[in-house]
Amino acid sequence: GENVEQHPSTLSVQEGDSAVIKCTYSDSASNYFPWYKQELGKRPQLIIDIRSNVGEKKDQRIAVTLNKTAKHFSLHITETQPEDSAVYFCAATRGTGGSYIPTFGRGTSLIVHP
Amino acid sequence: DSGVTQTPKHLITATGQRVTLRCSPRSGDLSVYWYQQSLDQGLQFLIQYYNGEERAKGNILERFSAQQFPDLHSELNLSSLELGDSALYFCASSVGTGRNTEAFFGQGTRLTVV
Repeated sequence: GENVEQHPSTLSVQEGDSAVIKCTYSDSASNYFPWYKQELGKRPQLIIDIRSNVGEKKDQRIAVTLNKTAKHFSLHITETQPEDSAVYFCAATRGTGGSYIPTFGRGTSLIVHP
Repeated sequence: DSGVTQTPKHLITATGQRVTLRCSPRSGDLSVYWYQQSLDQGLQFLIQYYNGEERAKGNILERFSAQQFPDLHSELNLSSLELGDSALYFCASSVGTGRNTEAFFGQGTRLTVV
């Protein structure tokens, strides 16, 4: 099955700095890569996603890059704000028997200090 | 509000007992996924149902079972509970089989086994 590694497990930055979270995946058949943000005590929510036919996608302060050859993808957050503090999960989705299952990384706890 | 409803929000039970967690997917979503979130294990995929049929299994214990009913709501049954089963259990739903689409998460059920 798919295996997703996510680093770092904890990331502490000062407000205004950039933050980068990296993930690698094992199954070259994975073709959809969503990123979820989970605030304390809340449900994971999609913040950005990228499909395998695209190398980069940007939405305001967040961007995601995908390197299919190397099987890794990254989340970039610029001009971080305290409200960006949360746990971020990457996922790789591959088809299996006609179904598509997101496999998640272990998460990165991002702490933005004011 | 994601449109995915999970009940109950909290559940406290004793070891050896059996509980049932319930999930109602977003209107129109045919796929339901169950995930277990422990402190150090991230989001572990348990099982997926699509339009009433089991489609994929992950790291689901034999003591756990699930089903999806004709109205598309799903139930996760956990039996012979152990202390280690204490976790947050999320249900997510997506359109169709989940290909290239976002999984919408419910608020989760926090299970505490004492």
